[in-house]
Amino acid sequence: QSVLTQPPSVSGAPGQRVTISCAGSRSNIGAGHDVHWYQQLPGTAPKLLIYGNTNRPSGVPDRFSGSKSGTSASLAITALQAEDEADYYCQSYDTGLSGLYVFGPGTKVTVL
Amino acid sequence: QVQLQESGPGLVKPSETLSLTCTVSGGSVSIGNFYWTWIRQPPGKGLEWIGYIYNIGSTDYNPSLKSRVTISVDTSKKQFSLRLTSVTVADTAVYYCARGRSSGWQDYWGQGTLVTVSP
Repeated sequence: QSVLTQPPSVSGAPGQRVTISCAGSRSNIGAGHDVHWYQQLPGTAPKLLIYGNTNRPSGVPDRFSGSKSGTSASLAITALQAEDEADYYCQSYDTGLSGLYVFGPGTKVTVL
Repeated sequence: QVQLQESGPGLVKPSETLSLTCTVSGGSVSIGNFYWTWIRQPPGKGLEWIGYIYNIGSTDYNPSLKSRVTISVDTSKKQFSLRLTSVTVADTAVYYCARGRSSGWQDYWGQGTLVTVSP
């Protein structure tokens, strides 16, 4: 049971916009800790997609964007492409009993 | 370009110790403000942060694993290692090593190695 909550799945047609939520609490996101996002294609290691809530590493398309407000964060994917079909994980720091760094349970994005 | 590669046994018996090594190329494990991290993923499940080593000897571990985990570094070999004692079938997972940053994200990951705990 993760202290961060994500929807199990989201889907969209090519070209559409989808968003993935990451809900936390006052011991993690709400405490001001940064949120990071990772993309995991099938059978591969996670790849950093967004760091520090809103920043994209070099090479990540600007179709991916992150935001944070209060105790939650969101990842938006615009102009959805078939290659975006993957699992997406949010990550933050938690000051409670669950560990220093925690991941959300992951969201499967399906391109219809 | 920094690259990380995990190595170690793919099969460990229950109650024994899991030992993995991560070799870093294209960078140094002793220079820079980096956090050399282990993360695992049980088959079909999500990611779990295990812990990291930084400043060549300081460590932080997931409280749920702290009593069984040790992370160490060998700067001469450009490697850092994971030891997990008294393993059970619940420790079966793909284990990833990664380079972490001070604000908590991991920017480079190894490809991962599957460790199965089975008699």
